[in-house]
Amino acid sequence: EAQVTQNPRYLITVTGKKLTVTCSQNMNHEYMSWYRQDPGLGLRQIYYSMNVEVTDKGDVPEGYKVSRKEKRNFPLILESPSPNQTSLYFCASSLGVSLYNEQFFGPGTRLTVL
Amino acid sequence: GQQLNQSPQSMFIQEGEDVSMNCTSSSIFNTWLWYKQDPGEGPVLLIALYKAGELTSNGRLTAQFGITRKDSFLNISASIPSDVGIYFCAGHNSGGSNYKLTFGKGTLLTVNP
Repeated sequence: EAQVTQNPRYLITVTGKKLTVTCSQNMNHEYMSWYRQDPGLGLRQIYYSMNVEVTDKGDVPEGYKVSRKEKRNFPLILESPSPNQTSLYFCASSLGVSLYNEQFFGPGTRLTVL
Repeated sequence: GQQLNQSPQSMFIQEGEDVSMNCTSSSIFNTWLWYKQDPGEGPVLLIALYKAGELTSNGRLTAQFGITRKDSFLNISASIPSDVGIYFCAGHNSGGSNYKLTFGKGTLLTVNP
């Protein structure tokens, strides 16, 4: 089944404890992206990647890192999480960046930073 | 940056009623998209609109791309309980190196059986 998977689905952690949220897609998509969803704010892009070893900042990149060593994986890294990073995170992927490339979303990771 | 104003924020309707929601933007988009998010899931694409003035249907859903390219609406006819969820509009501009979607803040739809 073609899909985007994220792990973990739920995570409660404490301030300053490094964590990684994994994202993997099995559709051979070139483009991958991370969003965060907050009440009243909709979804906002954190980072994106056009292809392996190519990443760039989205609208809200502060406090996050990403890597794209393999085409299928795009982990989101929080080196020193803070409470304002408590949010619902979505990974997404698409074949490319053209007008007609649908962006597929993972099921989400709910992160709580105490 | 670009912002999308989506309304209404929430709707509570009876099963069988029709629903209408819309999005307006401060700037133009080349593509308008409508997504639905079920509880505990990621957004799923419902309808994509690629041309100004375009009217597209997907079952009981109908969406239109405004002539000015700054707005779009989504209609749901004869609502059923499984229509419950959050509906998001999103705009996209092709060109450049980032397939970034700019999202509205969502419309929470509740359908009373």
